[in-house]
Amino acid sequence: DTAVSQTPKYLVTQMGNDKSIKCEQNLGHDTMYWYKQDSKKFLKIMFSYNNKELIINETVPNRFSPKSPDKAHLNLHINSLELGDSAVYFCASSLTGTGMYEQYFGPGTRLTVT
Amino acid sequence: DAKTTQPPSMDCAEGRAANLPCNHSTISGNEYVYWYRQIHSQGPQYIIHGLKNNETNEMASLIITEDRKSSTLILPHATLRDTAVYYCIAALYNNNDMRFGAGTRLTVKP
Repeated sequence: DTAVSQTPKYLVTQMGNDKSIKCEQNLGHDTMYWYKQDSKKFLKIMFSYNNKELIINETVPNRFSPKSPDKAHLNLHINSLELGDSAVYFCASSLTGTGMYEQYFGPGTRLTVT
Repeated sequence: DAKTTQPPSMDCAEGRAANLPCNHSTISGNEYVYWYRQIHSQGPQYIIHGLKNNETNEMASLIITEDRKSSTLILPHATLRDTAVYYCIAALYNNNDMRFGAGTRLTVKP
């Protein structure tokens, strides 16, 4: 069974469009994250959600908005896409406060904006 | 979070031990050392973590110096599948704010 899944795996779209990337985890974790990995391969955290509350909000444009309908899902909505948004986006999850230290990552969504 | 410094790349012969160093001279007393790796374009994978004692699991060993300013990840018998970028991260125990650096690209050669 897939622990952290993302859809779609690839997303090609034009500038100005609005798109969403979905993430689901079946591990019973209480915290989920979105990371962005750009062409230079630097992996940067964008958001973190714990029990449906945003606890990290890095300096990302407000065109990006995480939405968590429940603890198992954290979707990423992106409005007015720009060329610079092209990257691989990774979702991750973890269980906090119980001594477990691992973040489990999804397979990534490669977003290409043309 | 403390900044970590790693060599950009390393090579290792298949079957030999791979020793990956990490410098974290500004680490605070309550920050753990975590190691993750990223194989090709897959999502990062947790390897091991430690606070001040040496740790070992089925994947690797982590050696942390007594002053906690540096550590070494040891893959005891590297295989070709261990070729990846290895990230050393200093972060609090709940790891909600993991800061990935450039990492070390380990290439295991036949």
